[in-house]
Amino acid sequence: GAVVSQHPSRVICKSGTSVKIECRSLDFQATTMFWYRQFPKQSLMLMATSNEGSKATYEQGVEKDKFLINHASLTLSTLTVTSAHPEDSSFYICSARVAGNYGYTFGSGTRLTVV
Amino acid sequence: GENVEQHPSTLSVQEGDSAVIKCTYSDSASNYFPWYKQELGKRPQLIIDIRSNVGEKKDQRIAVTLNKTAKHFSLHITETQPEDSAVYFCAASWETSGSRLTFGEGTQLTVNP
Repeated sequence: GAVVSQHPSRVICKSGTSVKIECRSLDFQATTMFWYRQFPKQSLMLMATSNEGSKATYEQGVEKDKFLINHASLTLSTLTVTSAHPEDSSFYICSARVAGNYGYTFGSGTRLTVV
Repeated sequence: GENVEQHPSTLSVQEGDSAVIKCTYSDSASNYFPWYKQELGKRPQLIIDIRSNVGEKKDQRIAVTLNKTAKHFSLHITETQPEDSAVYFCAASWETSGSRLTFGEGTQLTVNP
């Protein structure tokens, strides 16, 4: 089945630094990648939608200059959290929809802790 | 945009009992309704889904019903087991290839032995 590989699974960084999270589609081409953020005991909230070769579409309230999304190829999308602050600590997870299939496949998630 | 509401937020049942979780959606154009089980720190796992051209779908102990007119859908788990304990999310989306999933707020299900 369709697999999305997400790395790193956990990362701890200092305030003010940047962190890059990668999602790779291993056996299919992901024309669209969705990036979600999940705070403890809350639901998955969509941050942005990225399409290969074009600019990402950000949800209201999500700072595009802080959360940089790049989808340069059909198999790789990245989310960079710039100038991270403790309030950015969260579980970040990507998801792709396989063409011709209603289903969505999720990455394994990245637990970001900013200290 | 789509808004999905989910109830209850917590549900505690005895092993062997049934559990029902309900969701409503706002966008009548939504036509795909998956349910996910998420364990702590892990990715959501699809447990069952339903499309708008059917009213009910069953897979062993799990069933989902959809009422398009009322714009609500429900998850039914029968003969619950302790390993069913997790957070369950409903979601809704359109049919188009670029459409996003909108999630409900989640239900923490606890099955007591």
